[in-house]
Amino acid sequence: KAGVTQTPRYLIKTRGQQVTLSCSPISGHRSVSWYQQTPGQGLQFLFEYFSETQRNKGNFPGRFSGRQFSNSRSEMNVSTLELGDSALYLCASSSSGTSTDTQYFGPGTRLTVL
Amino acid sequence: QQQVKQSPQSLIVQKGGISIINCAYENTAFDYFPWYQQFPGKGPALLIAIRPDVSEKKEGRFTISFNKSAKQFSLHIMDSQPGDSATYFCAASKGNFNKFYFGSGTKLNVKP
Repeated sequence: KAGVTQTPRYLIKTRGQQVTLSCSPISGHRSVSWYQQTPGQGLQFLFEYFSETQRNKGNFPGRFSGRQFSNSRSEMNVSTLELGDSALYLCASSSSGTSTDTQYFGPGTRLTVL
Repeated sequence: QQQVKQSPQSLIVQKGGISIINCAYENTAFDYFPWYQQFPGKGPALLIAIRPDVSEKKEGRFTISFNKSAKQFSLHIMDSQPGDSATYFCAASKGNFNKFYFGSGTKLNVKP
């Protein structure tokens, strides 16, 4: 079974631009969560989608948004990029979306904002 | 505000030794506590997890000890191996929601 895939793996943008990251979950998984990982703040929850609906949201500004498609693939979008948005963005998928269900993380997208 | 506090930040252990990583939490609503292992260039991978109604859970060389009254839990890696060198994260969630609060991570280096 293929794992969680994220594209692109690396991205360089400048301040003020917007960016879209993509996540393809494991086949059959309906829940996709997104996390931001930085050396200073660690792993922080962005949001979770289940069957195309956002179920949970973290404490990030409205510049961060996401969506999930009917095939469970998910995208996250960051508008008006700031230097502090430079981070590794991880997505994780799980089958049923309950907390005790194993979450499988992708390798992440490394975003650098100049 | 860090909901889950993890220590130490880094740890060096000799091969065959015991690695111990500690986490503490404040929110008594947390009811699920997983540990993740992350290698460079990879996403975190679930290692072992525990619910607060159990004081200890063991899987192979990995053991979670849970102290509900102290609101603390720890990961013990027995017979540590160089292949265990990675960053370890504790996490917590509540109410069966798929939203996790992670500790800041511990970088473990097991010396051969």
